[in-house]
Amino acid sequence: GAGVSQSPSNKVTEKGKDVELRCDPISGHTALYWYRQSLGQGLEFLIYFQGNSAPDKSGLPSDRFSAERTGGSVSTLTIQRTQQEDSAVYLCASSLASGPPDEQYFGPGTRLTVT
Amino acid sequence: GQQLNQSPQSMFIQEGEDVSMNCTSSSIFNTWLWYKQDPGEGPVLLIALYKAGELTSNGRLTAQFGITRKDSFLNISASIPSDVGIYFCAGRPTGTYKYIFGTGTRLKVLA
Repeated sequence: GAGVSQSPSNKVTEKGKDVELRCDPISGHTALYWYRQSLGQGLEFLIYFQGNSAPDKSGLPSDRFSAERTGGSVSTLTIQRTQQEDSAVYLCASSLASGPPDEQYFGPGTRLTVT
Repeated sequence: GQQLNQSPQSMFIQEGEDVSMNCTSSSIFNTWLWYKQDPGEGPVLLIALYKAGELTSNGRLTAQFGITRKDSFLNISASIPSDVGIYFCAGRPTGTYKYIFGTGTRLKVLA
């Protein structure tokens, strides 16, 4: 079946502009995660959605970052007034549940470059 | 905060050699996942482990959930050039749904 998809695959934006990154999780997966991966680094947790529960936003680095998930499916990560330090690959993952088995399946990522 | 140490950071090996990498945590984990990431791609799940002591294979890959629940290792047998990439471990601490990711092991295979 279809995996996690993300768009755009690449985004170049000027400092100060807003960007929106989209994630389509695997159909039927109730849990959705956003991560940030800087060059040569591991994955940094940003935000977690589970069903209709309030999202866990504890990983968002600043109030310029926000995310929503509409209808329990598609999610959008928005970065306002982008800064150069926001440049990274933004990865989305989904899983069937929040408890075992809870393997996370990742999308290909969106590479964001802020100039 | 909780920490996850992954080692080695990188390794060069000859084709046909076996490879071993491991992750250790400062706290008890309920789940260990191992991923491989190729350049420009998202991580791909290789093996999932849910029980202490569990040993699971996926082709030439074998991973184990340490009995202390604070470590896991991944072995690759008879490496081939396509094994090149970055391998990440991820652990889920008890009582949380969040995974903590290791910093990755960059594997390079010399033909």
